[in-house]
Amino acid sequence: DVKVTQSSRYLVKRTGEKVFLECVQDMDHENMFWYRQDPGLGLRLIYFSYDVKMKEKGDIPEGYSVSREKKERFSLILESASTNQTSMYLCASSLSGGGRNEKLFFGSGTQLSVL
Amino acid sequence: SQKIEQNSEALNIQEGKTATLTCNYTNYSPAYLQWYRQDPGRGPVFLLLIRENEKEKRKERLKVTFDTTLKQSLFHITASQPADSATYLCESYGGNQFYFGTGTSLTVIP
Repeated sequence: DVKVTQSSRYLVKRTGEKVFLECVQDMDHENMFWYRQDPGLGLRLIYFSYDVKMKEKGDIPEGYSVSREKKERFSLILESASTNQTSMYLCASSLSGGGRNEKLFFGSGTQLSVL
Repeated sequence: SQKIEQNSEALNIQEGKTATLTCNYTNYSPAYLQWYRQDPGRGPVFLLLIRENEKEKRKERLKVTFDTTLKQSLFHITASQPADSATYLCESYGGNQFYFGTGTSLTVIP
């Protein structure tokens, strides 16, 4: 079974801190995605990547950046955390080419609180 | 832009009955729709994918339909069990755009 591992289950940070969320998948998937999930808003796509060093903006990229130096690892960076970035962050991967998201495999999520 | 609307925030049904969840899209017809299950505190788990040119897909007790005229997908769970209680998410892909609905919370009452 595909495993998508997110480095932290819970994270508490201060406003203005730089935050790194790490995600690793073990099945050689081409595509990786970062979503945030908020009550009443559902899952919203922040960034995705369809190849190493390639990235595409999703619906809400402002305040975030990403890094994909290796195929299996996709990092989400909050350059200067703000309280409105308190959320559940979900990483996902998929095998299909061209940035399509067929049959996404999700990690367990990181609940980030920014105080 | 595309909007995905899942009817009914919460749905309660009796064990053994068929649960029917709806997913409506507002704009262009997606290349495909996907359904996921999410349990509290966990990431979503993929269940079924149906493409634009398919009318129906089945997997065990699950069935999904895609009606491009009504701009709607229906997700059915037959012979529902309390273990089916979860939030079910609909997701659309088309034109390199991905959109999730906010989900329907299903509770199956023993």
